[in-house]
Amino acid sequence: GAGVSQSPRYKVAKRGQDVALRCDPISGHVSLFWYQQALGQGPEFLTYFQNEAQLDKSGLPSDRFFAERPEGSVSTLKIQRTQQEDSAVYLCASSLARLFGETQYFGPGTRLLVL
Amino acid sequence: DQQVKQNSPSLSVQEGRISILNCDYTNSMFDYFLWYKKYPAEGPTFLISISSIKDKNEDGRFTVFLNKSAKHLSLHIVPSQPGDSAVYFCALQTNYGGSQGNLIFGKGTKLSVKP
Repeated sequence: GAGVSQSPRYKVAKRGQDVALRCDPISGHVSLFWYQQALGQGPEFLTYFQNEAQLDKSGLPSDRFFAERPEGSVSTLKIQRTQQEDSAVYLCASSLARLFGETQYFGPGTRLLVL
Repeated sequence: DQQVKQNSPSLSVQEGRISILNCDYTNSMFDYFLWYKKYPAEGPTFLISISSIKDKNEDGRFTVFLNKSAKHLSLHIVPSQPGDSAVYFCALQTNYGGSQGNLIFGKGTKLSVKP
């Protein structure tokens, strides 16, 4: 049984470079979440998709961050003109629904280092 | 200001003894409380949860206690095993408003269980 997968696992970018991070959720999961985990911190919510619709992007830190899920399965988080403060682990999670009490299953994350 | 606080960054326990991890929160609107466990280079995995209508939930060696009046959550692991060594995050959800279902995490507590 496949869980949530993310790629790449590690990404080193030069400041100002654009990056794209991919998430493959569990098949059939309607809900998809992106979280950002800075060093020594807990994960923080970035954005939420229900199928292909981005219903909540309240956690995106700036307009350099953009996420999409065009066919309601795979999702891509894109960061334009990366800055050093973007260095973090980016976690993707999926669940059957966006209901409180519904378990979210996390991928292994993409560790982004911006030099 | 942090809504979820895990004030102990680390905890060391002898194998076979009890591990107690604590979590405090500030917002009484939270309805659902979860514990996630994270090994290095992996995503968080769901461990146990409790809804606001209960004060205790038990699953094998793991028990979660909720004290709503004190806004305090704790996880008890009995007996502790070396394989329990990981970072433990408490996470909270609300059933209200646009953030329904989003997880709000504490900073985590690193548990080390010594043989």
